[in-house]
Amino acid sequence: TQLLEQSPQFLSIQEGENLTVYCNSSSVFSSLQWYRQEPGEGPVLLVTVVTGGEVKKLKRLTFQFGDARKDSSLHITAAQPGDTGLYLCAGGYTGNQFYFGTGTSLTVIP
Amino acid sequence: GAGVSQSPSNKVTEKGKDVELRCDPISGHTALYWYRQSLGQGLEFLIYFQGNSAPDKSGLPSDRFSAERTGGSVSTLTIQRTQQEDSAVYLCASSPGLAGVNTGELFFGEGSRLTVL
Repeated sequence: TQLLEQSPQFLSIQEGENLTVYCNSSSVFSSLQWYRQEPGEGPVLLVTVVTGGEVKKLKRLTFQFGDARKDSSLHITAAQPGDTGLYLCAGGYTGNQFYFGTGTSLTVIP
Repeated sequence: GAGVSQSPSNKVTEKGKDVELRCDPISGHTALYWYRQSLGQGLEFLIYFQGNSAPDKSGLPSDRFSAERTGGSVSTLTIQRTQQEDSAVYLCASSPGLAGVNTGELFFGEGSRLTVL
């Protein structure tokens, strides 16, 4: 059972374009994390957001946690080929439990 | 090593055989997680260990799946009578697991790729 749905599932864009990935749920989370995974490796944490409405920026990446703490978005500005990978959101429950989203596979074409 | 270590990295087995997958977490991490990932998809939660507490087994898909964590460190995920639908990458992660704090980073191993013929 996937508690978090991500959209789009696949995204292929040209270098320099902007994109947004969405992570939605009917459940309320105490925190929301975004991970990036490359082929043959485990996911690596990009950011954690904990407050409803919180916005965090990491260079060209902007992360937002919804006011109701049920959804999140990841916006990438001027995408580069190095951004290619599988992006995963993960919702945190009390007690250190985390449920992951369905994933968004991003390909940035040079 | 400094990171989460999983073995074997690849396992090919015949339908009906039992398999064991091992996870060696980062030293000192009290939380340990097992997830399953089908090709290019998201992570499906399987089981979660936190310190000496009873594990959260709510994600195990059937009674053919079991896991244990010995001495609060190494964990083994066992799949009995494997089926073709069990084919996937099995990922293990550990976290410092601070009590009452669920903003901790999960550190993942590279996974064990299981293929059931």
